[in-house]
Formats: sequence, C-alpha cells, structure tokens
Amino acid sequence: QKEVEQDPGPLSVPEGAIVSLNCTYSNSAFQYFMWYRQYSRKGPELLMYTYSSGNKEDGRFTAQVDKSSKYISLFIRDSQPSDSATYLCAMSRNTNAGKSTFGDGTTLTVKP
Amino acid sequence: DSGVTQTPKHLITATGQRVTLRCSPRSGDLSVYWYQQSLDQGLQFLIQYYNGEERAKGNILERFSAQQFPDLHSELNLSSLELGDSALYFCASSLLDTAGNTIYFGEGSWLTVV
Repeated sequence: QKEVEQDPGPLSVPEGAIVSLNCTYSNSAFQYFMWYRQYSRKGPELLMYTYSSGNKEDGRFTAQVDKSSKYISLFIRDSQPSDSATYLCAMSRNTNAGKSTFGDGTTLTVKP
Repeated sequence: DSGVTQTPKHLITATGQRVTLRCSPRSGDLSVYWYQQSLDQGLQFLIQYYNGEERAKGNILERFSAQQFPDLHSELNLSSLELGDSALYFCASSLLDTAGNTIYFGEGSWLTVV
C-alpha cells in the first residue's frame, strides 16, 4: 500500500463548478502538506502549503487538512478552463518540504 | 518560467549507457532537488543537495549519483541504464530547505532508454 493515495480521476467539470480533489495517507508523521499543479509537459508548481490540521484559503483555492482522518483536500471554486491540469498532493515529515511523498495526481479538465 | 534550467530537454539512449542531466537552480537558491516522474511510479524524490553538500536521500538507485558544484549547479548521473529508467527527471530548487520555502521545478529532462 502506498503511503499517499490520491483520487485517480480523471475529473471533467463545466466551467464555474466547484472541484474537490482528495488524498489520504497512512503515515501519521506527515506534518506538512502541499498541493502542486502540473500542466502538460511542464514541471509542478506549488499551489498551497499547509502545516498540520486546518484550512488555508488563497483566492479560489482552499486547502483542508484533517490529520485525525489522515485526509487532505483541495477545493477550487469557480473553476476555469485554465485550471485544467494535473494536481498532485505531497506530504513531508519534516521542514524539508522538498523531500516529499507525492500522490499519483488527479487530472482535471474544466470545459468552457 | 520558474528560473530553474534543465538540459537536455530530451535524450534517447541505449540500455547500458550512461547519461548526465544538468540543472541550473534559480539565482541565489542554495538547495537543489532531483525527482523522477514515471507513469507507474509517479513523482518520486531522489536526492537533495544544499550548498554543495548532500542533504537528503530518497529512492535513488545505486546506479544513479548526483553532485552540486561550487557555482550551485547540479548534475544527475545515470549509469548502466535500463528500460525502466525511462522517465521525466525534474530538478527543483529553493532558497533554503526549511518550512515555508517554495520549491521551484524546472521543465524536466525526458529520458528514453531503448
């Protein structure tokens, strides 16, 4: 079993929809949680970074961490065609966020 | 553009060969990370260097090695290549490697082993 499991998708939604992307994990030592967006043939880019449990909002994006359930989510409000990409969750045990364990990614398509 | 430069962008080589992938981090970034992304394994952390020293190791095979030079650029050496090494190799950099430091990825080097 992988340490990090991500809803595989793919996901296709109409423009303006609310999108929910989810990951579960098994290692309770994970303290830092990230979401990356990766466009086709590009490197991942950091979207959201949270420490421990709670919510964090940045524009149309909200990251949610529930450590008791070992579950994290990324919500995208008012989704746009430009949000079409693969979204990767990532988790780290310590402050070295580069040494992360990644989910396999969920590919999202937002249709105009 | 993340500011992280990787060369070459594409590489085709035969099994048993050795290749070197090069990475120039963002100006001023001290930390360099290498990752492998394949269809069956996803994105995996390989190794990290910080200001010239190895800082952390992940799932890096013994056939693979890396180094970071005094000018902070880094190279990933892959030897005795196998078909299964075909993947997209990313380099990333950050100013420091502590919490809150954003990691910036390059566009990757596509390696095909035939």
